[in-house]
Amino acid sequence: DSGVTQTPKHLITATGQRVTLRCSPRSGDLSVYWYQQSLDQGLQFLIQYYNGEERAKGNILERFSAQQFPDLHSELNLSSLELGDSALYFCASSVRSGGLDTQYFGPGTRLTVL
Amino acid sequence: GQQVMQIPQYQHVQEGEDFTTYCNSSTTLSNIQWYKQRPGGHPVFLIQLVKSGEVKKQKRLTFQFGEAKKNSSLHITATQTTDVGTYFCAGKVVNNDMRFGAGTRLTVKP
Repeated sequence: DSGVTQTPKHLITATGQRVTLRCSPRSGDLSVYWYQQSLDQGLQFLIQYYNGEERAKGNILERFSAQQFPDLHSELNLSSLELGDSALYFCASSVRSGGLDTQYFGPGTRLTVL
Repeated sequence: GQQVMQIPQYQHVQEGEDFTTYCNSSTTLSNIQWYKQRPGGHPVFLIQLVKSGEVKKQKRLTFQFGEAKKNSSLHITATQTTDVGTYFCAGKVVNNDMRFGAGTRLTVKP
């Protein structure tokens, strides 16, 4: 158990819908990262927050948005869903920003868009 | 943007054979991390390399960071079925955050 929690574990929805994925980082970690992993694919970095502020942006679509709240939990919002958005979405946390810290990954949320 | 490339994409070995995955960047990396993802699981941190030419060992796993800090490798000696999974490298390009390679999926035939 990494100490990072993600909810829900599974999500099935239809095209055009909007969903929210939630992540609670490890206690004491200020950075939260979001990744997308499609079937048999690598980890695509989406976005990073540090202590409530957006820190870095990767290949995140305009239909997707995220935020980190004062209690440091984070939410990833996916809207106007398409079939291709079906994937495993991981959240990871680290103590600091800057890339020298270990990233601890949550168990992921498996999103299926029908 | 700056990318971290990883090869091979897949590797199938007989139990007992060695395995190596390589990670390359066109630009200098501040550090490199290696993660392992078991089938159905999430990535788990293995190790971090920071110094030029650094070599670290964890039992049958040997990690190297190139002299120019642009490449890295993970070598597993005498693979076991427990080594099955996808191995990811993640490099920090100077002034940027960590970027993951595409991963190498290792399968081991008993």
